[in-house]
Amino acid sequence: DADVTQTPRNRITKTGKRIMLECSQTKGHDRMYWYRQDPGLGLRLIYYSFDVKDINKGEISDGYSVSRQAQAKFSLSLESAIPNQTALYFCATSGEVKGTEQFFGPGTRLTVL
Amino acid sequence: AQKVTQAQTEISVVEKEDVTLDCVYETRDTTYYLFWYKQPPSGELVFLIRRNSFDEQNEISGRYSWNFQKSTSSFNFTITASQVVDSAVYFCALSGARTGNNRKLIWGLGTSLAVNP
Repeated sequence: DADVTQTPRNRITKTGKRIMLECSQTKGHDRMYWYRQDPGLGLRLIYYSFDVKDINKGEISDGYSVSRQAQAKFSLSLESAIPNQTALYFCATSGEVKGTEQFFGPGTRLTVL
Repeated sequence: AQKVTQAQTEISVVEKEDVTLDCVYETRDTTYYLFWYKQPPSGELVFLIRRNSFDEQNEISGRYSWNFQKSTSSFNFTITASQVVDSAVYFCALSGARTGNNRKLIWGLGTSLAVNP
């Protein structure tokens, strides 16, 4: 079984709808991250969390919110989806050791019409 | 500020050619960490390697090798005898060790490698 899972894997929705993307991990990591990937723009950090009570905005948090329900679960919400939020979304986890690598989920492809 | 530059947006080679992907970084941290990830056409992000700033030894793993040079702030990735399965987008990333800089990775924009048969 995958260590980092994301649901759904694909989603098509309409402008104005509320969407939740979920991420679960079995790696026992405290740190979790949400990124979005757009062609030519690389990976951009939306939010990150270092434990259940520590949630931080990344570089592009406007229009998004997150919830860290447990150590293993970190969900991303789009309160009112808009077309320019169409992207590939990744969840990632890492351990606490400085410089440790991040492990990524398979991604969620979101299309907002 | 920390920054990672991958100047090569796209590279196209013929199978069995050697190819080098460039990565130049900027940081004021004296201790930092560098990473390479691979994103094949299927979309997942696969961790390839991590390098500490205090370890300048080059590394080889099969057909893959990494050349870390602090003097030029570069961490280049070479694929020897490329294969079609190497076709992917490759990302270089940086994490500082100082408090604040160690909370996240700084990513390059990626280099898209196409290996043609």
